[in-house]
Amino acid sequence: SSELTQDPAVSVALGQTVRITCQGDSLRSYYASWYQQKPGQAPVLVIYGKRNRPSGIPDRFSGSGSGNTASLTITGAQAEDEADYYCNSRDTSGYPVVFGGGTKLTVV
Amino acid sequence: QLQLQESGPGLVKPSETLSLTCTVSGGSVSSSGYYWGWVRQPPGKGLEWIGSIYYTGGSTYYNPSLKSRVSIALDTSKNQLSLKLSSVTAADTAVFYCGRLVVVIDTSYFDSWGQGTLVAVSS
Repeated sequence: SSELTQDPAVSVALGQTVRITCQGDSLRSYYASWYQQKPGQAPVLVIYGKRNRPSGIPDRFSGSGSGNTASLTITGAQAEDEADYYCNSRDTSGYPVVFGGGTKLTVV
Repeated sequence: QLQLQESGPGLVKPSETLSLTCTVSGGSVSSSGYYWGWVRQPPGKGLEWIGSIYYTGGSTYYNPSLKSRVSIALDTSKNQLSLKLSSVTAADTAVFYCGRLVVVIDTSYFDSWGQGTLVAVSS
């Protein structure tokens, strides 16, 4: 099966823009989806498909992609955005799900 | 509002079978086009997809690393999905989540998650 690679940790200054990336061969064929997970809580979907946001997700969250890399961008990061972020996509081997290893976002 | 709730033993002995149930409310596990799945997260680590099942119950997909030990099923009469993981070791200690999975031509995503349940493997 495919793998998705994420940077383990990223930091951003309050109010600034941060990009969290996800790399993998499957992203040449499929869009990534993104989840936010805060300590002790279940993941929450924040971006799915090409660049869709579920209802209730602030518009400062956006998704994009090129080649084998997908990105989650937070424009004007807030303190409450501090969390772990995971990407997933379909797998080119036929499996419906593969997850990235996660990125811990710190807002300073 | 779709809600999912995991349930099962919080402690399982090594070599035994871990069994969990996910009860769905506010929707049906038979809803056309959806998949249902299980994801686990060892303490302090990332998410790992365990497996998924189509709403008909006729197709299942398992993580290759777990395939020999995993079984997922739907019980439409109870609106539940189940997970069985056999021959567990301490490495299987994790929070287990159930979720509704959307799989379309160009992507996949879990759009609803249960709150998760911690299962420890220990004698």
